[in-house]
Amino acid sequence: KAGVTQTPRYLIKTRGQQVTLSCSPISGHRSVSWYQQTPGQGLQFLFEYFSETQRNKGNFPGRFSGRQFSNSRSEMNVSTLELGDSALYLCASTVWSELGTDTQYFGPGTRLTVL
Amino acid sequence: EDQVTQSPEALRLQEGESSSLNCSYTVSGLRGLFWYRQDPGKGPEFLFTLYSAGEEKEKERLKATLTKKESFLHITAPKPEDSATYLCAVQAHFGSRLTFGEGTQLTVNP
Repeated sequence: KAGVTQTPRYLIKTRGQQVTLSCSPISGHRSVSWYQQTPGQGLQFLFEYFSETQRNKGNFPGRFSGRQFSNSRSEMNVSTLELGDSALYLCASTVWSELGTDTQYFGPGTRLTVL
Repeated sequence: EDQVTQSPEALRLQEGESSSLNCSYTVSGLRGLFWYRQDPGKGPEFLFTLYSAGEEKEKERLKATLTKKESFLHITAPKPEDSATYLCAVQAHFGSRLTFGEGTQLTVNP
């Protein structure tokens, strides 16, 4: 099975612009989560989508938004970019186990640099 | 609020020198504790899930254990290719979100 794919892999934007990142989960997985990774804050949860509905949201400002399509592909959008938004944005595809927990498999990430 | 603390922040070992990484956690009802490995410029790679105190899981030179307050990742006779950042994360009973620790950066010298 193909893994989680994210596009683009690298992106350079300037302050005030907006950006859209894309994620395709593992085939058959219906849940997608997004995380932001920075050297200072580590990995932080942004939001989770399941069957086109946002199920969970982290503690990020409203400039960060997302959506999921009927084929489970997901996009996240950041508007009015700030320097502090420079980070590795990771998408994770979820599979549920028989024990009732879910395991998240991560994509390679999109490295966003805001100048 | 769920919290995860990993120690040490960085660890240098000689090839073959066994050691352990620590992950201390507080969570409102543990649903699962996860270990991931992350190489520079890549996404985290799933290693283990532990569900209850006393559980152990092994994979090659790695062994993960879980108590009610912490988890250990034991590395036996490490090789240079084990060099990476090891991340610990917890998942509470409600929701899928993972709360991550800051990670332990492991370097294994030949």
